[in-house]
Amino acid sequence: DTAVSQTPKYLVTQMGNDKSIKCEQNLGHDTMYWYKQDSKKFLKIMFSYNNKELIINETVPNRFSPKSPDKAHLNLHINSLELGDSAVYFCASSPSTGTTYGYTFGSGTRLTVV
Amino acid sequence: KNEVEQSPQNLTAQEGEFITINCSYSVGISALHWLQQHPGGGIVSLFMLSSGKKKHGRLIATINIQEKHSSLHITASHPRDSAVYICAVGGGSRLTFGEGTQLTVNP
Repeated sequence: DTAVSQTPKYLVTQMGNDKSIKCEQNLGHDTMYWYKQDSKKFLKIMFSYNNKELIINETVPNRFSPKSPDKAHLNLHINSLELGDSAVYFCASSPSTGTTYGYTFGSGTRLTVV
Repeated sequence: KNEVEQSPQNLTAQEGEFITINCSYSVGISALHWLQQHPGGGIVSLFMLSSGKKKHGRLIATINIQEKHSSLHITASHPRDSAVYICAVGGGSRLTFGEGTQLTVNP
């Protein structure tokens, strides 16, 4: 059974389009995250939700908007896509806030903006 | 300068060799994580440490809180260990990541 699942795995789209990436976890975790991995494989936190409440909102363009309909789901919507948005986006979850818990990552969504 | 520095950036080894990857950090932390990213792209959590040493199979992770340093060791390395190994430190509610170490183990 997949613990943290992201869809789609690959996304190729044109500049200016709006797209969404979905994430679901079946681990019963309270906290979910979105990370961006750039071309140099460097990971950076974008957002974190704990039980549907936004707790981390890093300095990202406001074209990026997370939505958590319930604690098992955290979706990422991106408006007016730009070339620089091309990256791999990872969803992750952990039992609670704080970093002394193990993290479970999704398999990533490779976004290519052309 | 990054808050989390890994060395080496790239490492090539022969099958069977003992491998060490280092991680130094400059901030106070509550925990340190080692992650593995395979060529297919998925990320797997290997260890979470707040003190001492942990072992899982051929993998050993150690941390020295006073020196702000952690090491990941792989004994009897195998080509399937080829991956990017990422150190991440946790403070508050967020992780800060190192840039990763690309490990290639040749048969």
